[in-house]
Amino acid sequence: QSALTQPRSVSGSPGQSVTISCTGTSSDVGGYNYVSWYQQHPGKAPKLMIYDVSKRPSGVPDRFSGSKSGNTASLTISGLQAEDEADYYCCSYAGSHVVFGGGTKLTVL
Amino acid sequence: QVQLVQSGAEVKKPGASVKVSCKASGYTFTSYDINWVRQATGQGLEWMGWMNPNSGNTGYAQKFQGRVTMTRNTSISTAYMELSSLRSEDTAVYYCARGLTPGPSGSYVYWGQGTLVTVSS
Repeated sequence: QSALTQPRSVSGSPGQSVTISCTGTSSDVGGYNYVSWYQQHPGKAPKLMIYDVSKRPSGVPDRFSGSKSGNTASLTISGLQAEDEADYYCCSYAGSHVVFGGGTKLTVL
Repeated sequence: QVQLVQSGAEVKKPGASVKVSCKASGYTFTSYDINWVRQATGQGLEWMGWMNPNSGNTGYAQKFQGRVTMTRNTSISTAYMELSSLRSEDTAVYYCARGLTPGPSGSYVYWGQGTLVTVSS
């Protein structure tokens, strides 16, 4: 039950797009269409931004999008805004358990 | 509206146990799994396990097998997570979370406010 692999940090300027990758295995990311992404601001509980690879919960801006290819999932944030600066975690169902990525710190320059 | 309200902060000595509660409201408690996720200070999210409040069935992350027990009291719509043989590395914020859909998927749309558990001698 190893953690999914994410880059430690990414950055972008306001208005730009950034993509965060999340690499797992055929037993988790590659095996199920149950990848989700969470945004977490300091001192707050995580917020679900993407579920089932590419679906957005009600209220999440369409600037956030998700995709998957093989064992790697991706979160793309377009039209970066200052409030997007946060930690982002990917998460995958893996049959008998759930696994999170190590987290990526997004800095808006 | 759906709410998950957790019990307050705890301070425990190494070797002790802690039991955190998560009271659900705004939906049918027995219809959705409750999951537990923890986060050490400055660290990432770590999934601990799930419990089906209807059947009481549970599934735990390998790392916590033998040390964690998840239970519920359906009469008061409350889930519990007990962690035993505490060590300093268990110092973390513990969250309960509910999925968007009834089944297991890792899509946690509702979260408790978190309970800080500090393990210190």
